[in-house]
Amino acid sequence: DAMVIQNPRYQVTQFGKPVTLSCSQTLNHNVMYWYQQKSSQAPKLLFHYYDKDFNNEADTPDNFQSRRPNTSFCFLDIRSPGLGDAAMYLCATSRDEDSNQPQHFGDGTRLSIL
Amino acid sequence: GENVEQHPSTLSVQEGDSAVIKCTYSDSASNYFPWYKQELGKGPQLIIDIRSNVGEKKDQRIAVTLNKTAKHFSLHITETQPEDSAVYFCAASRNTGGFKTIFGAGTRLFVKA
Repeated sequence: DAMVIQNPRYQVTQFGKPVTLSCSQTLNHNVMYWYQQKSSQAPKLLFHYYDKDFNNEADTPDNFQSRRPNTSFCFLDIRSPGLGDAAMYLCATSRDEDSNQPQHFGDGTRLSIL
Repeated sequence: GENVEQHPSTLSVQEGDSAVIKCTYSDSASNYFPWYKQELGKGPQLIIDIRSNVGEKKDQRIAVTLNKTAKHFSLHITETQPEDSAVYFCAASRNTGGFKTIFGAGTRLFVKA
């Protein structure tokens, strides 16, 4: 059974048109992550939530925002997508960040920009 | 800054042979080293991990070794099968002085039948 679920699997949006990607988890994990993965590259961490505490990576563009309304759900908002934002977006969870637990990934949302 | 170097970027082996992927990390505070397998169109999935107080760990056909002094860790897959074909990522993680996980660039493994 899928434990980290991302919707939709494929998203097409227009240049500059806001888009929201969603992630839900059934693991009751404290930490949720958003990664951007471009072709043949490693996942790049955008930000993560430790419970309600938001942690932004220093090089994440302001164009990317996130919301976590409750433990189970986390959203990635791209306010004005550019062509360079076309990528696979991966959501992951881990139990906490204090004891170095493995991350559980969803199958991603592939975002295309027209 | 901290980084993780992973080699090779592409590896092709014959079914039944062994495959070895190597990673080197720079952050001496790293104390947890997971390996992820990513199949086409899917997210990375953990296949094995090792913590800094252990030098080797094995799970059936998969083993990981860690040399803390040299800051090297390696993934060994024995008796490879076509379904082992995927992209493999190593990662180095710390939980002291600020939580951080850094991924290697990935190795694309082809297992030829």
